Amino acid sequence: GAVVSQHPSRVICKSGTSVKIECRSLDFQATTMFWYRQFPKQSLMLMATSNEGSKATYEQGVEKDKFLINHASLTLSTLTVTSAHPEDSSFYICSARAGQGNYEQYFGPGTRLTVT
Amino acid sequence: GENVEQHPSTLSVQEGDSAVIKCTYSDSASNYFPWYKQELGKGPQLIIDIRSNVGEKKDQRIAVTLNKTAKHFSLHITETQPEDSAVYFCAASRGTGRRALTFGSGTRLQVQP
Repeated sequence: GAVVSQHPSRVICKSGTSVKIECRSLDFQATTMFWYRQFPKQSLMLMATSNEGSKATYEQGVEKDKFLINHASLTLSTLTVTSAHPEDSSFYICSARAGQGNYEQYFGPGTRLTVT
Repeated sequence: GENVEQHPSTLSVQEGDSAVIKCTYSDSASNYFPWYKQELGKGPQLIIDIRSNVGEKKDQRIAVTLNKTAKHFSLHITETQPEDSAVYFCAASRGTGRRALTFGSGTRLQVQP
């Protein structure tokens, strides 16, 4: 149980284009999902928190108009990187928490984004 | 906000030896402390966690201890195996719902066969 998937696992796009990453909880309903970014040999940095049916809460320094998050259902959240630039190249990882009363967060396998 | 410090940044042990990774946190209201294992190119995997009402938790070769007074917690891996080689992250949070995890900087564990 507690499986989180991400799609795609890898994506290469040209500078100026937009890329959408999907995060799904496969065997539980996730009331809260989190999006992280991880640069090589660094820790995970929280980008935003999303709850189903409401607007995402972004961390300081994360541009909400550039990183669009939509938590459309209890099993799906999407992150769209708009007008991508080479500095957006990173490993994007989502996590999900099942229910308001649960502590555990389960992570997806990550998406490697390369912007050329 | 919460700040989590993790040491050491790298750790090399011989197969069969024990490994210990330590973390400290700053927010006395934090009450949940998970540990994650991340292999190259993959997402973090939850390996063990502890809540603030417990001082120690064990799962086979892995154990976690928590000292609330000193605000530090540790991961202990006994009888290490080459497949334990990975990056380990500690984290802390105030709990459930929308409260996110704050991660430590990670420890790269290398188990030499």
